[in-house]
Amino acid sequence: QPVLTQPPSSSASPGESARLTCTLPSDINVGSYNIYWYQQKPGSPPRYLLYYYSDSDKGQGSGVPSRFSGSKDASANTGILLISGLQSEDEADYYCMIWPSNAWVFGGGTKLTVL
Amino acid sequence: QVQLQESGPGLVKPSETLSLTCAVSGYSISSGYYWGWIRQPPGKGLEWIGSIYHSGSTYYNPSLKSRVTISVDTSKNQFSLKLSSVTAADTAVYYCARHLYYYDSSGYSIPHYFDYWGQGTLVTVSS
Repeated sequence: QPVLTQPPSSSASPGESARLTCTLPSDINVGSYNIYWYQQKPGSPPRYLLYYYSDSDKGQGSGVPSRFSGSKDASANTGILLISGLQSEDEADYYCMIWPSNAWVFGGGTKLTVL
Repeated sequence: QVQLQESGPGLVKPSETLSLTCAVSGYSISSGYYWGWIRQPPGKGLEWIGSIYHSGSTYYNPSLKSRVTISVDTSKNQFSLKLSSVTAADTAVYYCARHLYYYDSSGYSIPHYFDYWGQGTLVTVSS
C-alpha cells in the first residue's frame, strides 16, 4: 500500500496560517485523487474537514469554517490543508486520506500546536 | 441524527478472534452507503481495516485481508468486524464509521469521505 507522508508536527501562532502537507509517493499522481482531510482531538473520533480535487471539485464538511481550505502542489505531488486565522481550538492532529487501488490510505498525521 | 456505537470485548487473548459490532441509529443501513472500520493504536495514526456496502460487497485493507471479515445485518441495523489470529499489534481503538460514495464519469460508485463516526472502543490483546 502507498505511504502518505505528513510532517509529524507543525506549529503556528494564533491568527497566523498553518500549511499542512501530505506528500504522495512518486508512483501516484496527486492530480488524479481526491485528498481528504480529518481533524482529531484527544479522546475523540476524527472529524471530516474537507476534500479537494480541484478548484472546481472540492467540498467542505458540515459546519467546517471556511478558513479551512484545501489545495494541491502538483510539482511536489502534495496535497495541502491551509488553516487561516488560527485559533487555539485548532490544536489537534490532522490526517490526510486517499482512495487508490480500492483501499483507503491514511497519512501518518501531523500534530498542530497553536503557540 | 445518525449515530454509531461500537460494542464488544475490551480484552482478547493472542491468537483468538476479535469481534466487534457497530449499531447504527438514525439511519437504515439497507438504504445505502458504505460502512467501515478504522483502528488507531494508542498514540499512533489511523488505519483503515475495511468497508462494506449495504448490499454486502466488501473492500478490505490488503495488509489485513487474510484475517478480516466484515458483515452486515440489516434486520438489526448493524454491521460487524471479525479479526482473527490477533497479536499485541492489534491493540487499538476501533472505530466504526459511515462513508458516502459518488459516481465517476464511467458510472462506477467510488467511496467518498467518512462522515459519521462512533466514539471508538479500545480493544487490548493480552493474555
